[in-house]
Amino acid sequence: DAEITQSPRHKITETGRQVTLACHQTWNHNNMFWYRQDLGHGLRLIHYSYGVQDTNKGEVSDGYSVSRSNTEDLPLTLESAASSQTSVYFCASSDLAGGTTDTQYFGPGTRLTVL
Amino acid sequence: QKEVEQDPGPLSVPEGAIVSLNCTYSNSAFQYFMWYRQYSRKGPELLMYTYSSGNKEDGRFTAQVDKSSKYISLFIRDSQPSDSATYLCAMSRAAYSSASKIIFGSGTRLSIRP
Repeated sequence: DAEITQSPRHKITETGRQVTLACHQTWNHNNMFWYRQDLGHGLRLIHYSYGVQDTNKGEVSDGYSVSRSNTEDLPLTLESAASSQTSVYFCASSDLAGGTTDTQYFGPGTRLTVL
Repeated sequence: QKEVEQDPGPLSVPEGAIVSLNCTYSNSAFQYFMWYRQYSRKGPELLMYTYSSGNKEDGRFTAQVDKSSKYISLFIRDSQPSDSATYLCAMSRAAYSSASKIIFGSGTRLSIRP
């Protein structure tokens, strides 16, 4: 079955280190998204991509970067991790696929702690 | 002011009760309204989707949109312990993710007591 996976599921790192979170989907969806989820804030969009070589900033993109070299993967990089980036990170993908709207399918999440 | 406001709860009700979850919003351009369900330690999954005003029913779940009041609701009838989860409302100006971003509420944590 098609799916969306994230790795690692849990990560502890230190302030200032570079961290990369992986997201892989097997639906062949064009659209991919990265969100962070924090108590009281819900899901906030970090970066998104509508296809290979396309990347765009979301509402909370400072300190994060993404690259899209193929359809299946959208890795999220924290250039220099900060304690404020401690959060749960969700990847999602979507595509119209003949429907009237495109449903976003979410991965299981990565819990990141920055010490 | 947030574009979408949602009471975080927690909300605890006995099994079999009718549950009402609500969100308010400020942007009158929103046309598409969604409810996501998120179990603990899992990613959100789409539960209901409605366009513009009106009601939509799917089994025990009913989504209601009142655009004049900028208010949306999700009703759960005959609630079950398996309905215990966090429910996030979400809305968008367009049907496609490529045309408009989805704005999420902060989620309401619901617990159904056996």
